[in-house]
Amino acid sequence: RKEVEQDPGPFNVPEGATVAFNCTYSNSASQSFFWYRQDCRKEPKLLMSVYSSGNEDGRFTAQLNRASQYISLLIRDSKLSDSATYLCVVTHTYGGATNKLIFGTGTLLAVQP
Amino acid sequence: GAGVSQSPSNKVTEKGKDVELRCDPISGHTALYWYRQSLGQGLEFLIYFQGNSAPDKSGLPSDRFSAERTGGSVSTLTIQRTQQEDSAVYLCASSSRVQGYGYTFGSGTRLTVV
Repeated sequence: RKEVEQDPGPFNVPEGATVAFNCTYSNSASQSFFWYRQDCRKEPKLLMSVYSSGNEDGRFTAQLNRASQYISLLIRDSKLSDSATYLCVVTHTYGGATNKLIFGTGTLLAVQP
Repeated sequence: GAGVSQSPSNKVTEKGKDVELRCDPISGHTALYWYRQSLGQGLEFLIYFQGNSAPDKSGLPSDRFSAERTGGSVSTLTIQRTQQEDSAVYLCASSSRVQGYGYTFGSGTRLTVV
Protein backbone atom coordinates (compact mmCIF):
# COMPACT_ATOMS: atom_id res chain seq x y z
CA ARG A 1 0.00 0.00 0.00
CA LYS A 2 1.32 3.47 -0.89
CA GLU A 3 1.97 5.80 2.02
CA VAL A 4 -0.06 8.58 0.36
CA GLU A 5 -3.07 7.61 -1.75
CA GLN A 6 -4.90 9.78 -4.26
CA ASP A 7 -7.53 9.21 -6.91
CA PRO A 8 -5.54 9.60 -10.15
CA GLY A 9 -8.51 11.05 -12.04
CA PRO A 10 -8.74 12.57 -14.54
CA PHE A 11 -11.30 15.01 -13.29
CA ASN A 12 -12.87 16.72 -16.29
CA VAL A 13 -14.88 19.76 -15.18
CA PRO A 14 -16.33 22.80 -16.95
CA GLU A 15 -15.06 26.29 -16.25
CA GLY A 16 -16.66 27.73 -13.16
CA ALA A 17 -17.25 24.37 -11.51
CA THR A 18 -16.25 23.45 -7.98
CA VAL A 19 -14.03 20.40 -7.69
CA ALA A 20 -12.72 18.53 -4.66
CA PHE A 21 -9.71 16.23 -4.34
CA ASN A 22 -9.12 13.84 -1.52
CA CYS A 23 -6.06 12.14 -0.18
CA THR A 24 -5.34 9.65 2.59
CA TYR A 25 -2.06 8.92 4.33
CA SER A 26 -1.05 5.86 6.29
CA ASN A 27 1.62 7.12 8.70
CA SER A 28 0.01 8.62 11.77
CA ALA A 29 3.35 10.24 12.66
CA SER A 30 3.15 12.48 9.61
CA GLN A 31 3.76 16.03 10.69
CA SER A 32 3.19 18.47 7.88
CA PHE A 33 0.88 18.43 4.91
CA PHE A 34 0.87 20.20 1.58
CA TRP A 35 -0.71 20.39 -1.82
CA TYR A 36 1.69 20.83 -4.72
CA ARG A 37 0.75 21.55 -8.30
CA GLN A 38 2.60 20.09 -11.27
CA ASP A 39 2.04 21.29 -14.80
CA CYS A 40 2.80 18.97 -17.71
CA ARG A 41 6.56 18.40 -18.07
CA LYS A 42 7.30 20.91 -15.31
CA GLU A 43 8.56 20.61 -11.76
CA PRO A 44 6.17 20.50 -8.78
CA LYS A 45 5.43 23.82 -7.11
CA LEU A 46 4.00 24.41 -3.67
CA LEU A 47 0.32 25.37 -3.86
CA MET A 48 -0.51 25.59 -0.17
CA SER A 49 0.09 24.13 3.23
CA VAL A 50 -2.70 22.25 4.99
CA TYR A 51 -3.71 22.78 8.60
CA SER A 52 -6.23 21.10 10.89
CA SER A 53 -8.06 24.38 11.26
CA GLY A 54 -8.46 24.56 7.50
CA ASN A 55 -6.96 27.26 5.37
CA GLU A 56 -8.06 29.21 2.36
CA ASP A 57 -6.13 30.99 -0.36
CA GLY A 58 -8.46 32.70 -2.80
CA ARG A 59 -10.43 30.03 -4.65
CA PHE A 60 -8.51 27.21 -2.93
CA THR A 61 -9.44 25.67 0.42
CA ALA A 62 -7.44 22.91 2.10
CA GLN A 63 -8.47 20.81 5.07
CA LEU A 64 -6.77 18.21 7.25
CA ASN A 65 -8.46 15.58 9.38
CA ARG A 66 -5.76 13.99 11.53
CA ALA A 67 -8.11 11.48 13.14
CA SER A 68 -9.10 10.07 9.75
CA GLN A 69 -5.68 10.74 8.17
CA TYR A 70 -7.41 12.51 5.36
CA ILE A 71 -6.54 15.67 3.40
CA SER A 72 -8.72 17.58 0.98
CA LEU A 73 -8.42 20.37 -1.56
CA LEU A 74 -11.41 22.33 -2.85
CA ILE A 75 -11.17 24.55 -5.92
CA ARG A 76 -14.03 26.95 -6.53
CA ASP A 77 -14.87 28.70 -9.80
CA SER A 78 -12.40 26.57 -11.80
CA LYS A 79 -10.31 28.33 -14.44
CA LEU A 80 -8.70 26.84 -17.53
CA SER A 81 -5.36 27.69 -15.93
CA ASP A 82 -6.14 25.35 -13.03
CA SER A 83 -5.60 22.37 -15.33
CA ALA A 84 -2.67 20.47 -13.84
CA THR A 85 -1.82 17.51 -11.63
CA TYR A 86 -2.39 18.12 -7.94
CA LEU A 87 -0.02 16.28 -5.62
CA CYS A 88 -0.86 15.48 -2.02
CA VAL A 89 2.28 15.58 0.12
CA VAL A 90 3.06 14.63 3.71
CA THR A 91 6.27 14.89 5.68
CA HIS A 92 7.71 13.24 8.71
CA THR A 93 11.11 13.31 10.29
CA TYR A 94 13.46 10.35 10.11
CA GLY A 95 16.07 10.08 12.81
CA GLY A 96 16.05 13.79 13.50
CA ALA A 97 16.65 14.70 9.89
CA THR A 98 14.83 17.53 8.22
CA ASN A 99 11.41 16.62 6.94
CA LYS A 100 11.27 14.46 3.85
CA LEU A 101 8.39 14.93 1.43
CA ILE A 102 6.33 11.85 0.59
CA PHE A 103 4.28 12.40 -2.56
CA GLY A 104 1.05 10.90 -3.72
CA THR A 105 0.87 9.98 -7.39
CA GLY A 106 -1.31 12.99 -8.09
CA THR A 107 -4.78 13.78 -9.36
CA LEU A 108 -5.12 15.13 -12.89
CA LEU A 109 -7.54 18.02 -13.34
CA ALA A 110 -8.68 19.13 -16.80
CA VAL A 111 -10.88 22.23 -16.87
CA GLN A 112 -12.89 22.41 -20.08
CA PRO A 113 -14.02 25.67 -21.76
CA GLY B 1 21.26 31.76 -7.87
CA ALA B 2 17.63 32.63 -7.50
CA GLY B 3 16.38 29.09 -7.94
CA VAL B 4 17.50 25.48 -8.03
CA SER B 5 19.50 24.82 -11.17
CA GLN B 6 19.87 21.39 -12.72
CA SER B 7 21.98 20.27 -15.63
CA PRO B 8 21.76 18.92 -18.18
CA SER B 9 18.08 19.52 -18.84
CA ASN B 10 17.99 16.52 -21.17
CA LYS B 11 20.33 13.57 -21.47
CA VAL B 12 20.15 10.67 -23.89
CA THR B 13 22.59 7.88 -23.18
CA GLU B 14 23.26 4.37 -24.36
CA LYS B 15 22.51 1.45 -22.10
CA GLY B 16 25.56 0.56 -20.05
CA LYS B 17 27.06 4.03 -20.00
CA ASP B 18 27.55 6.10 -16.83
CA VAL B 19 25.83 9.47 -16.40
CA GLU B 20 26.25 12.37 -13.99
CA LEU B 21 23.44 14.73 -13.12
CA ARG B 22 24.14 18.01 -11.41
CA CYS B 23 22.11 20.09 -8.96
CA ASP B 24 22.97 23.59 -7.78
CA PRO B 25 20.64 24.46 -4.88
CA ILE B 26 19.44 27.83 -3.70
CA SER B 27 22.27 29.64 -1.97
CA GLY B 28 22.19 29.03 1.77
CA HIS B 29 19.85 26.04 1.61
CA THR B 30 21.43 23.32 3.73
CA ALA B 31 19.02 20.51 2.81
CA LEU B 32 19.10 18.96 -0.65
CA TYR B 33 16.95 16.16 -2.01
CA TRP B 34 16.94 14.01 -5.11
CA TYR B 35 13.72 12.53 -6.46
CA ARG B 36 12.87 10.80 -9.69
CA GLN B 37 9.62 10.69 -11.60
CA SER B 38 8.96 8.01 -14.17
CA LEU B 39 6.35 8.48 -16.89
CA GLY B 40 2.90 8.57 -15.30
CA GLN B 41 4.30 7.88 -11.84
CA GLY B 42 4.60 9.87 -8.65
CA LEU B 43 7.79 11.32 -7.27
CA GLU B 44 10.09 8.70 -5.78
CA PHE B 45 12.51 9.80 -3.05
CA LEU B 46 16.14 8.87 -3.73
CA ILE B 47 18.47 10.57 -1.26
CA TYR B 48 18.67 13.47 1.17
CA PHE B 49 21.66 15.61 2.11
CA GLN B 50 22.06 17.82 5.15
CA GLY B 51 25.18 19.81 4.44
CA ASN B 52 27.63 17.35 2.89
CA SER B 53 26.37 14.29 4.71
CA ALA B 54 23.61 11.98 3.53
CA PRO B 55 21.64 10.76 6.55
CA ASP B 56 19.01 9.14 4.35
CA LYS B 57 20.00 7.12 1.28
CA SER B 58 17.08 4.76 1.61
CA GLY B 59 15.58 5.57 -1.76
CA LEU B 60 18.54 4.75 -3.97
CA PRO B 61 17.22 1.84 -6.07
CA SER B 62 20.49 -0.05 -6.49
CA ASP B 63 24.23 0.20 -5.93
CA ARG B 64 24.54 1.62 -9.44
CA PHE B 65 23.21 4.87 -7.99
CA SER B 66 25.36 7.18 -5.89
CA ALA B 67 25.36 10.83 -4.95
CA GLU B 68 27.68 13.29 -3.34
CA ARG B 69 27.58 16.85 -2.22
CA THR B 70 30.60 19.04 -1.75
CA GLY B 71 31.01 22.35 0.01
CA GLY B 72 27.45 22.13 1.25
CA SER B 73 26.31 23.27 -2.16
CA VAL B 74 26.42 21.46 -5.51
CA SER B 75 25.35 17.83 -5.64
CA THR B 76 26.02 15.21 -8.27
CA LEU B 77 23.89 12.10 -8.81
CA THR B 78 25.78 9.37 -10.67
CA ILE B 79 24.18 6.39 -12.34
CA GLN B 80 26.59 3.68 -13.44
CA ARG B 81 25.90 1.13 -16.18
CA THR B 82 22.57 2.72 -17.02
CA GLN B 83 19.57 0.53 -17.78
CA GLN B 84 16.41 1.38 -19.70
CA GLU B 85 14.39 1.37 -16.48
CA ASP B 86 16.53 4.29 -15.27
CA SER B 87 14.79 6.51 -17.83
CA ALA B 88 12.94 9.18 -15.85
CA VAL B 89 12.99 12.81 -14.86
CA TYR B 90 15.43 13.35 -12.00
CA LEU B 91 14.38 16.26 -9.81
CA CYS B 92 16.44 18.05 -7.22
CA ALA B 93 14.97 20.18 -4.44
CA SER B 94 16.47 22.31 -1.71
CA SER B 95 15.15 23.64 1.54
CA SER B 96 16.30 25.90 4.31
CA ARG B 97 16.52 24.02 7.58
CA VAL B 98 15.57 27.21 9.35
CA GLN B 99 12.50 27.44 7.19
CA GLY B 100 11.69 23.87 8.07
CA TYR B 101 9.69 22.94 5.06
CA GLY B 102 8.60 24.20 1.71
CA TYR B 103 10.90 22.80 -0.89
CA THR B 104 11.91 24.48 -4.13
CA PHE B 105 12.41 22.12 -7.04
CA GLY B 106 14.67 22.49 -10.02
CA SER B 107 13.25 21.90 -13.48
CA GLY B 108 14.80 18.45 -13.61
CA THR B 109 16.97 16.36 -15.89
CA ARG B 110 15.09 14.18 -18.35
CA LEU B 111 17.17 11.03 -18.76
CA THR B 112 16.51 8.66 -21.63
CA VAL B 113 18.45 5.40 -21.83
CA VAL B 114 18.36 3.85 -25.28
